[in-house]
Amino acid sequence: DAEITQSPRHKITETGRQVTLACHQTWNHNNMFWYRQDLGHGLRLIHYSYGVQDTNKGEVSDGYSVSRSNTEDLPLTLESAASSQTSVYFCASSDTGTGGKLYTEAFFGQGTRLTVV
Amino acid sequence: KNQVEQSPQSLIILEGKNCTLQCNYTVSPFSNLRWYKQDTGRGPVSLTIMTFSENTKSNGRYTATLDADTKQSSLHITASQLSDSASYICVGGTASKLTFGTGTRLQVTL
Repeated sequence: DAEITQSPRHKITETGRQVTLACHQTWNHNNMFWYRQDLGHGLRLIHYSYGVQDTNKGEVSDGYSVSRSNTEDLPLTLESAASSQTSVYFCASSDTGTGGKLYTEAFFGQGTRLTVV
Repeated sequence: KNQVEQSPQSLIILEGKNCTLQCNYTVSPFSNLRWYKQDTGRGPVSLTIMTFSENTKSNGRYTATLDADTKQSSLHITASQLSDSASYICVGGTASKLTFGTGTRLQVTL
């Protein structure tokens, strides 16, 4: 069965360190997304990609970067981790809407709980 | 600014009872409204997706409604079960750009 997996599931890191969260999907989806989820906020978009070599900033992109070298993976890098980046991170993927389709199903990973101390 | 507001923030109901969760959205561009279920410690899972031209969609005991004129949606859960205890998130947007509500936390008790 196709799936989307994130690793690690939990991570504790120190302020100032570079951290990379992995996301791998076997749906062969063009679209991939990174969100963060914090108490009192809905999921907020960090970065997204519509295909290989394509990356775009979301609403809370400062301090984060992504790269898309293949269809399956979209790693999220925290350049210099800060305590404000303590959060639960979700990766998602979806297919491109074609033929006038107004929506496509989005599938989420299990999440990565990141703590910056 | 795009916004999705949900009410109530939390809800406790007895097993077997029905409940309705509300969602008001201001999202542009808009082509679809989604409801997700999120169990504690897990990623969101899709329950229903409706385009702006659809009024209702069901998925088992879950029925979502959409009024695109008033920008309101609801999720009705029939004959609740303990396994329905979760957060329910309303989401509006397009195929590739979504705005998430903060969710309604539902607890189903005996």
